[in-house]
Amino acid sequence: QQQVKQSPQSLIVQKGGIPIINCAYENTAFDYFPWYQQFPGKGPALLIAIRPDVSEKKEGRFTISFNKSAKQFSLHIMDSQPGDSATYFCAASMRSGGSNYKLTFGKGTLLTVNP
Amino acid sequence: NAGVTQTPKFQVLKTGQSMTLQCAQDMNHEYMSWYRQDPGMGLRLIHYSVGAGITDQGEVPNGYNVSRSTTEDFPLRLLSAAPSQTSVYFCASSADSAYEQYFGPGTRLTVT
Repeated sequence: QQQVKQSPQSLIVQKGGIPIINCAYENTAFDYFPWYQQFPGKGPALLIAIRPDVSEKKEGRFTISFNKSAKQFSLHIMDSQPGDSATYFCAASMRSGGSNYKLTFGKGTLLTVNP
Repeated sequence: NAGVTQTPKFQVLKTGQSMTLQCAQDMNHEYMSWYRQDPGMGLRLIHYSVGAGITDQGEVPNGYNVSRSTTEDFPLRLLSAAPSQTSVYFCASSADSAYEQYFGPGTRLTVT
């Protein structure tokens, strides 16, 4: 059972466009929602994250929108640049016994920003 | 700081062989984990550790063993390699939880 569903699988936009990547979850025990960015041949790196008591968080050109009632969250990239071309993963984390936490990833979105 | 390091970068194994993927971090992080990344499958948690001497299974633990004798090192052992274990393996660490994880550069493993 996939706990975090991510869409679309791939996305192509022109430079300056605003790509939007969506994620949905079922388990209300999730309490932290990070996004990771991965360039080819590299490991993923934390991009931005949000907690469910916040509806929006901005860091530079990256914005997370969070809808707790719908159990959905999304990543928006303002004024996208060719250098933003990467694979983006949404994730969700929850406590798993005591102080242990597990991070569950979506399947990823391959973003291409054309010049 | 080197961050999270993984060796080797590439490895080819024959079915049935065993090997150990190495992972080390120099950030004094308590939490370490291993993921595998397959096309269209995202990152799936294999095993994780919340501190030296403590390990637990993730989503896809079968065929893999781990141990954590020091804070710095978290090796992943493949007991008897199978073609289904062909994948890119990432090690990650974080200070105190699964939230903000720092990933290594990965090991690309091919099992023939």
